[in-house]
Amino acid sequence: QKEVEQNSGPLSVPEGAIASLNCTYSDRGSQSFFWYRQYSGKSPELIMFIYSNGDKEDGRFTAQLNKASQYVSLLIRDSQPSDSATYLCAVRNYNQGGKLIFGQGTELSVKP
Amino acid sequence: GAVVSQHPSWVICKSGTSVKIECRSLDFQATTMFWYRQFPKQSLMLMATSNEGSKATYEQGVEKDKFLINHASLTLSTLTVTSAHPEDSSFYICSARAPVSRHGANVLTFGAGSRLTVL
Repeated sequence: QKEVEQNSGPLSVPEGAIASLNCTYSDRGSQSFFWYRQYSGKSPELIMFIYSNGDKEDGRFTAQLNKASQYVSLLIRDSQPSDSATYLCAVRNYNQGGKLIFGQGTELSVKP
Repeated sequence: GAVVSQHPSWVICKSGTSVKIECRSLDFQATTMFWYRQFPKQSLMLMATSNEGSKATYEQGVEKDKFLINHASLTLSTLTVTSAHPEDSSFYICSARAPVSRHGANVLTFGAGSRLTVL
């Protein structure tokens, strides 16, 4: 079992729709959860992170965390073509050296 | 905001040669930097944790004699790929925890990456 799993996609949504990206993790001791966006040929850039169960909103982005289910998601409202990228979920367990472990990423395509 | 600079952004070399990649924290000190490798259509895989003034910590399966890491100052870490072979061709990305960023403190910030092609 991979430590962090994501559907590789591609996930295709029409412009203006809500894009839902999902991630599960195996280490129940994980404490911090991150969503990065990576455009082709570029390095990842942080979108947001979440520590506590529940929702966290930042503009058009909402991260949702459910530690009991070991599940974290990212919702993108009013999706734009510029949101088309690969979204990487990353998990950190400070008791395991604090390394950031990445999922394989989900490719999102927003169609105009 | 905190910036991590990486150089070169791309490099092409012949098989058997060595290539050095630099990672600098421009406006903050980084006692720890992380080196990742990413093959096409795959995720980032942590190669090693670079610690200023001490030996790097390598992940399982990463050859420490092949991927030499030096963290000689609080703002510079280097990765040297020795005796490079075509299978080493990849996107190498460094990162560091910036003290302050738009997202708060101690968030991992990535360099722009270095694309290595070994012929």
